[in-house]
Amino acid sequence: AQTVTQSQPEMSVQEAETVTLSCTYDTSESDYYLFWYKQPPSRQMILVIRQEAYKQQNATENRFSVNFQKAAKSFSLKISDSQLGDAAMYFCACQTATGANSKLTFGKGITLSVRP
Amino acid sequence: EPEVTQTPSHQVTQMGQEVILRCVPISNHLYFYWYRQILGQKVEFLVSFYNNEISEKSEIFDDRFSVERPDGSNFTLKIRSTKLEDSAMYFCASSGDGYQPQHFGDGTRLSIL
Repeated sequence: AQTVTQSQPEMSVQEAETVTLSCTYDTSESDYYLFWYKQPPSRQMILVIRQEAYKQQNATENRFSVNFQKAAKSFSLKISDSQLGDAAMYFCACQTATGANSKLTFGKGITLSVRP
Repeated sequence: EPEVTQTPSHQVTQMGQEVILRCVPISNHLYFYWYRQILGQKVEFLVSFYNNEISEKSEIFDDRFSVERPDGSNFTLKIRSTKLEDSAMYFCASSGDGYQPQHFGDGTRLSIL
């Protein structure tokens, strides 16, 4: 079984500044995927970024990037040039299996507010 | 961009009644999932479905719950004898294969009175 821990319940960032959201995970699998999902007040679940554990290079997606530290089992999300639309709940998730049993295990989430 | 659609967006049901939540996954996807999010809590896995059968289910998915893909496009979650604690947001997700990210629908908010 895998666990995902997001210890910060909320964070705040000034518009145009950079913020980092923390996440740690635990799994006994050697191959897995890590994700950050965004959930705005509308409560949709929107994929932000994905990291394959076998890749050493950190994933980036426009203003979003991750710092993946495999040995430390850490997977943080960096949001650069924060925008008001980035305000949302952010969930870190882990997927350790592939195929038919590839369920996602989520952390508790962190609420990000963006100050104008 | 293709998306997962869920209906209804909000369902209110009396305790003890049956409810069916509907999902239309992305058309060429083969793997289907239901997740649940109780208000203010994390998203929890309920069930995965592939090749017309359940692949895995969590302890939440007790014998009151069932899933079905009746016509090759819809993917439904049925809850019988609903309880107050079933009140939650229910998300459907699908993926093209087990290596691809799961795409989520907008969710159905289920309220049990």
